[in-house]
Amino acid sequence: NAGVTQTPKFQVLKTGQSMTLQCAQDMNHNSMYWYRQDPGMGLRLIYYSASEGTTDKGEVPNGYNVSRLNKREFSLRLESAAPSQTSVYFCASSDRDFTDTQYFGPGTRLTVL
Amino acid sequence: AQKITQTQPGMFVQEKEAVTLDCTYDTSDQSYGLFWYKQPSSGEMIFLIYQGSYDEQNATEGRYSLNFQKARKSANLVISASQLGDSAMYFCAMRERLYNNNDMRFGAGTRLTVKP
Repeated sequence: NAGVTQTPKFQVLKTGQSMTLQCAQDMNHNSMYWYRQDPGMGLRLIYYSASEGTTDKGEVPNGYNVSRLNKREFSLRLESAAPSQTSVYFCASSDRDFTDTQYFGPGTRLTVL
Repeated sequence: AQKITQTQPGMFVQEKEAVTLDCTYDTSDQSYGLFWYKQPSSGEMIFLIYQGSYDEQNATEGRYSLNFQKARKSANLVISASQLGDSAMYFCAMRERLYNNNDMRFGAGTRLTVKP
């Protein structure tokens, strides 16, 4: 089992460029999440998908869009990157109950110049 | 309002000693789950231990245990017999049943350094 995989691992963008971060999980989880991690802060939720076909905003959704392509895949898109979006991005998956652990991908380190 | 508070930005411990990492939380929900994750310098988030709000016993997983004091709303992580490989960032997190049960809230983390 690969668990949660993310691509790419590293990315450098210029201001205004767009890109899509890909995430896939093989644990048959219903819920998937995108977080960002900034220095000195914990993870903050950008968007989540409680189940296939649904997506909802998290704490910091501005500047991002998401697509739940199927049960396995959940992508995050930056339409017009800004330096404030320089961060490490983590994808996670879990089952829906509040007792369920979230399992994380390895992260994508994004720099916007 | 801050849901999860980790008041120790950095901690040092001597190898083979025990260390406690503090975590307090804020919730009005009766049903919630508390989680600890480890983030080594390589960057991945590794799940360590879980405590449910209704669990009567403190959770344990190998060298990790959780000192759960519900009335004080604290869920401190205890690492026994510290090893050099324990040097990492540690994050406390919470999921609540009523507050959007898909949302895990994280603290700012504690950086643990184990000295040889």
